[in-house]
Amino acid sequence: TQLLEQSPQFLSIQEGENLTVYCNSSSVFSSLQWYRQEPGEGPVLLVTVVTGGEVKKLKRLTFQFGDARKDSSLHITAAQPGDTGLYLCAGGLLAGANNLFFGTGTRLTVIP
Amino acid sequence: KAGVTQTPRYLIKTRGQQVTLSCSPISGHRSVSWYQQTPGQGLQFLFEYFSETQRNKGNFPGRFSGRQFSNSRSEMNVSTLELGDSALYLCASSWAGSSGNTIYFGEGSWLTVV
Repeated sequence: TQLLEQSPQFLSIQEGENLTVYCNSSSVFSSLQWYRQEPGEGPVLLVTVVTGGEVKKLKRLTFQFGDARKDSSLHITAAQPGDTGLYLCAGGLLAGANNLFFGTGTRLTVIP
Repeated sequence: KAGVTQTPRYLIKTRGQQVTLSCSPISGHRSVSWYQQTPGQGLQFLFEYFSETQRNKGNFPGRFSGRQFSNSRSEMNVSTLELGDSALYLCASSWAGSSGNTIYFGEGSWLTVV
């Protein structure tokens, strides 16, 4: 049973388009993180959000944590081929504990 | 500062054998956690060590074990390997502060069981 469901599972878009990835759960998380993973590598942390309703921006990426801390979204503006990769959300149920529950992942391909 | 270092990067083992994987956390980080990543199950939490004590454990059989040393370096061991143990094993470290759960992953150890 997956605590975090991501959608869509696969996404293929043209360079310059915008996209949103969703991460949903029925559980409340103390924090939520987004990672990007390249083939053969470990996940690389993009952002951590801890406050309900929090919005963080990282260049063309905008991350939002739901008010109830049960869901999150990642929006990419003007996608570029370098954005291609596996995007993973991960939630921690308890502050300070490092047993994260990972989402199912969204595999993004940006076509030049 | 140096990231999380895992060794070996790649290894092939035979069913029934055992394997030990090593992880050196980011300097100053006291928590080390291990994850298994497979195409079918995704990323799943194995266990977490903090100050040489196992603090959390995922839902894996007892064949999977780990330990942490006084310098925070960690090892995980899998005994009596099965074909289904083939996976990318990821180590992650954290300062283990009370705010948020930011962890940083190593590049992983690719295990193939034949």
